[in-house]
Amino acid sequence: SQQGEEDPQALSIQEGENATMNCSYKTSINNLQWYRQNSGRGLVHLILIRSNEREKHSGRLRVTLDTSKKSSSLLITASRAADTASYFCAPGVDSSYKLIFGSGTRLLVRP
Amino acid sequence: NAGVMQNPRHLVRRRGQEARLRCSPMKGHSHVYWYRQLPEEGLKFMVYLQKENIIDESGMPKERFSAEFPKEGPSILRIQQVVRGDSAAYFCASSPPPKGDTQYFGPGTRLTVL
Repeated sequence: SQQGEEDPQALSIQEGENATMNCSYKTSINNLQWYRQNSGRGLVHLILIRSNEREKHSGRLRVTLDTSKKSSSLLITASRAADTASYFCAPGVDSSYKLIFGSGTRLLVRP
Repeated sequence: NAGVMQNPRHLVRRRGQEARLRCSPMKGHSHVYWYRQLPEEGLKFMVYLQKENIIDESGMPKERFSAEFPKEGPSILRIQQVVRGDSAAYFCASSPPPKGDTQYFGPGTRLTVL
């Protein structure tokens, strides 16, 4: 596995706005996962996108993957105060099990 | 199906004592992973276990730390002679066989060393 780097480090938006956060990585991957962590809690798996997929949706979440640029983005539409959390990406290589997390993007959604 | 369970949720130890952290994986999951998170940082991989086997402990400090996942019962992360620097949140995750892509995380144990 390799580490993903999330950007920006912190993001503050108004409720109802969209939030976009990005992830960059260095080498070829098989898949990439996004996780959310609410303050003081464990990680919650949001979505997994495979290297042969370009876009994936789950409810208000939209994930894109550009393997040529080695980057992924997570879009949260119509944000809610409950979306306030840290978001982490975890690039996956082959059948590697070792998730390596960056420092995450801390999202604050203001009511 | 209950999620990954960890206990205790909070643990306070004095320097030199032992800390034992427990993790019960989701039903049907035979792969367990332990991660450590320091404040304002992402999770760092520590160890990967299957039933009765340590598969990868490359993220574990060489001394004082050990982990096991017995045939029966929860996985245990054991820290001997704790020091202040061991204060962190320790998360356990599990995945189903065969080695799955998605790891499901527990709520974590927050260890404070006084």
